Amino acid sequence: GQSLEQPSEVTAVEGAIVQINCTYQTSGFYGLSWYQQHDGGAPTFLSYNALDGLEETGRFSSFLSRSDSYGYLLLQELQMKDSASYFCALTNDYKLSFGAGTTVTVRA
Amino acid sequence: NAGVTQTPKFRVLKTGQSMTLLCAQDMNHEYMYWYRQDPGMGLRLIHYSVGEGTTAKGEVPDGYNVSRLKKQNFLLGLESAAPSQTSVYFCATAGGEETQYFGPGTRLLVL
Repeated sequence: GQSLEQPSEVTAVEGAIVQINCTYQTSGFYGLSWYQQHDGGAPTFLSYNALDGLEETGRFSSFLSRSDSYGYLLLQELQMKDSASYFCALTNDYKLSFGAGTTVTVRA
Repeated sequence: NAGVTQTPKFRVLKTGQSMTLLCAQDMNHEYMYWYRQDPGMGLRLIHYSVGEGTTAKGEVPDGYNVSRLKKQNFLLGLESAAPSQTSVYFCATAGGEETQYFGPGTRLLVL
């Protein structure tokens, strides 16, 4: 099976930088994905790492280290609209296994 | 394009009743999925399909059945609803390994 661990909550102020860590245990996977979900909404895709290293998409970056079984999502220049839940997920055979999610609260 | 749609948006059932949730997509994706999401938990895969006419069990398939008679539709059935099936159900589609596209969700309450 697969298991993923991420912090349950993070609070930060507008303009700050937040890093959400994700550690995992798995026998094999293709990549690590990150999804954002606003309260009451659908999850939406943010980022995907198939290889080790950093992927940058605007204010969001994601990192993967297979040797450390570890990844993170970096949110820069935080805005109020970034208040949401963020999920890491392992991809294997076109299926996703999700972590429990991290609730990010952005304060003015 | 509507993307991924789900019907109904909200439903209340009594224990033992049956119902079918419909997921429709206009993205021409081969892969379709049904997840459930409970408070404080991530999404858990119920069943999935890798193409028209195929279905497979996910992480939590008990109490659910699915069908994929047409490529664009993926149906989730509850034959005899139980209070433990109270949840938010999300459908998703994928054309490849990298990205899944989620529908707006169906909130189900079983009394």
